[in-house]
Amino acid sequence: KNEVEQSPQNLTAQEGEFITINCSYSVGISALHWLQQHPGGGIVSLFMLSSGKKKHGRLIATINIQEKHSSLHITASHPRDSAVYICAGGADGLTFGKGTHLIIQP
Amino acid sequence: NAGVTQTPKFRILKIGQSMTLQCAQDMNHNYMYWYRQDPGMGLKLIYYSVGAGITDKGEVPNGYNVSRSTTEDFPLRLELAAPSQTSVYFCASSPATYEQYFGPGTRLTVT
Repeated sequence: KNEVEQSPQNLTAQEGEFITINCSYSVGISALHWLQQHPGGGIVSLFMLSSGKKKHGRLIATINIQEKHSSLHITASHPRDSAVYICAGGADGLTFGKGTHLIIQP
Repeated sequence: NAGVTQTPKFRILKIGQSMTLQCAQDMNHNYMYWYRQDPGMGLKLIYYSVGAGITDKGEVPNGYNVSRSTTEDFPLRLELAAPSQTSVYFCASSPATYEQYFGPGTRLTVT
């Protein structure tokens, strides 16, 4: 059974700080997803990657296939980045981590 | 495009009642999924479908049934609701094993 582990569970930072969220996964995952869930509950896909690095605005996702590890970075963090960030892996259906609850204080 | 829509947004059921959670997408995606999210836990896959007429069980299928008669619709049926099915249910779709698009969720309480 695939497992996905995230760290940290909770993270509070000041506006402008560089944020890193980590994700480790077991074998059998063909792609790694990063999702964002806002306090209202909606879920948005941020990245899907199977190798290397992807960047979208202030968000960067990296994956190391050999180490079965992925990171999500947020540069110049802002209070509007406050959300739960979820790592998930799989093929037909995803296996999810429990999420990292991020709070960015002004 | 409306994307992925779910109805209802909220529902309270009594133990033993049945209901169907509706999910529809207008992006012509072949893949559709049902997940549940419990407090403090990660989302868990209930059922998924890779195309009309094809469904498969996920991690937590017990107590649920699905059907996929069209590409657009993927309803989730709860028979004999139990308190353990109190959760937030998300439907999602994707063109293949790519980025998934999520609906807004249905918050279900069984009392």
